[in-house]
Amino acid sequence: DGGITQSPKYLFRKEGQNVTLSCEQNLNHDAMYWYRQDPGQGLRLIYYSQIVNDFQKGDIAEGYSVSREKKESFPLTVTSAQKNPTAFYLCASSVGTNSYNEQFFGPGTRLTVL
Amino acid sequence: GQQVMQIPQYQHVQEGEDFTTYCNSSTTLSNIQWYKQRPGGHPVFLIQLVKSGEVKKQKRLTFQFGEAKKNSSLHITATQTTDVGTYFCAGSDQTGANNLFFGTGTRLTVIP
Repeated sequence: DGGITQSPKYLFRKEGQNVTLSCEQNLNHDAMYWYRQDPGQGLRLIYYSQIVNDFQKGDIAEGYSVSREKKESFPLTVTSAQKNPTAFYLCASSVGTNSYNEQFFGPGTRLTVL
Repeated sequence: GQQVMQIPQYQHVQEGEDFTTYCNSSTTLSNIQWYKQRPGGHPVFLIQLVKSGEVKKQKRLTFQFGEAKKNSSLHITATQTTDVGTYFCAGSDQTGANNLFFGTGTRLTVIP
């Protein structure tokens, strides 16, 4: 069964701690994306990757880091430098690396920093 | 930078009434996509528009792309409770960017 998985669904962390969110896809997609969703603000792009071992900053990359060591995996680390990390985080992937390809989203991880 | 605005932010309708959400870009778009996110769920792709003035229909949903390729709309005829959710438009400018800019979304509530 093909798709995108994100884990965990809910995550709680103490302020000042780094946390890594998992994103795995078995769709054989080249491009992967991380978005942050806050109420009333839509989806904002954090990072995206067009190919293994390469990634680009999105609109709100500060306080986040990513890696793309495997085609299937694109983990996101929320560092202690992110001033307001509590949010819903969505991972997505697409076949190609241009904007004409539809994006497939994972179920999301809701991060709460206490 | 590119901005994609959607109005209204929220819309409550009685079941059976029509609903429209509008998407406006500050720059000319090469394409626009529409996604639906059910409450507690994740965005799911609905459709893509590419041509100036393009109109596409999916059952009760009608999607339009403006002649200037700076705006788009989604119209739902005779809403049903299954239409509940947040509708997002997402576009890309004509500089060949490899990512989409998502609109702020319109949350639709359908009252039975």
